[in-house]
Amino acid sequence: EAEVAQSPRYKITEKSQAVAFWCDPISGHATLYWYRQILGQGPELLVQFQDESVVDDSQLPKDRFSAERLKGVDSTLKIQPAELGDSAMYLCASTLRGTNNEQFFGPGTRLTVL
Amino acid sequence: GNSVTQMEGPVTLSEEAFLTINCTYTATGYPSLFWYVQYPGEGLQLLLKATKADDKGSNKGFEATYRKETTSFHLEKGSVQVSDSAVYFCALSDSGGGADGLTFGKGTHLIIQP
Repeated sequence: EAEVAQSPRYKITEKSQAVAFWCDPISGHATLYWYRQILGQGPELLVQFQDESVVDDSQLPKDRFSAERLKGVDSTLKIQPAELGDSAMYLCASTLRGTNNEQFFGPGTRLTVL
Repeated sequence: GNSVTQMEGPVTLSEEAFLTINCTYTATGYPSLFWYVQYPGEGLQLLLKATKADDKGSNKGFEATYRKETTSFHLEKGSVQVSDSAVYFCALSDSGGGADGLTFGKGTHLIIQP
C-alpha cells in the first residue's frame, strides 16, 4: 500500500541551529501539505503545494521557516534558526485531485529543540 | 473562519462500552467532514469521511453522520476494544471539493480499559 514517507522520524537540536525535514508523498499526488502539531493539539497547516508551486503559506513563519518542492514530487521543510517553541510534530500529507480532499499523512518528524 | 470543536478528553471507557465523541463545526461553505485517528508516535490515519449533509461515514465499526442542521459530526461505536485506544481528530475541508488545508479540532484522547 502506498504511503507518505518522512525523515527523520526524530530530531533533537539546540536552539539557533538549522534543521530540515523531508517528505515524499504518495506517487501521483499533486498536492502536498506540511502541518505542525503541538503536543495536545490538532495539526495546523503551515504550507500547501500544488505540484511545485506554493498555494498557501499564510501560516508559515517566513522569517525562520522555508519550504520547497522543486520538482513537484518530494519536499523539504527547513527551520533556521530553531527556537524552543518550534518543538512539535511536523506532519506531511498529500492528496489526489477529485477525492474531496482526503489527505494521507506520513508518520511525522518529532522535533525537540533544547 | 472555519473551526472544529471536540469534546475534551481523556475519555475512559471499559471494553465493549458504547462510544460517542462529539464534534461540532463552523464553516462558511458546505464542508467535507473527516475523522482521523492517531496512535502513539504515529501520523494520522483517515477513519471515515462524509461529503454532504445526511451522509453517513463508516469504517471498522465506527460511524458518523453529517448533520447540517446541528453542524455536527459525532463519532460513535457500539462496542469499543482496547485496540481503539488512541487520539481521535475531527476535521473539515471547506474547499468545495478542492484541496485546501484541513481544519482540525484539538483531538480527544480515548482510553479503553480491559
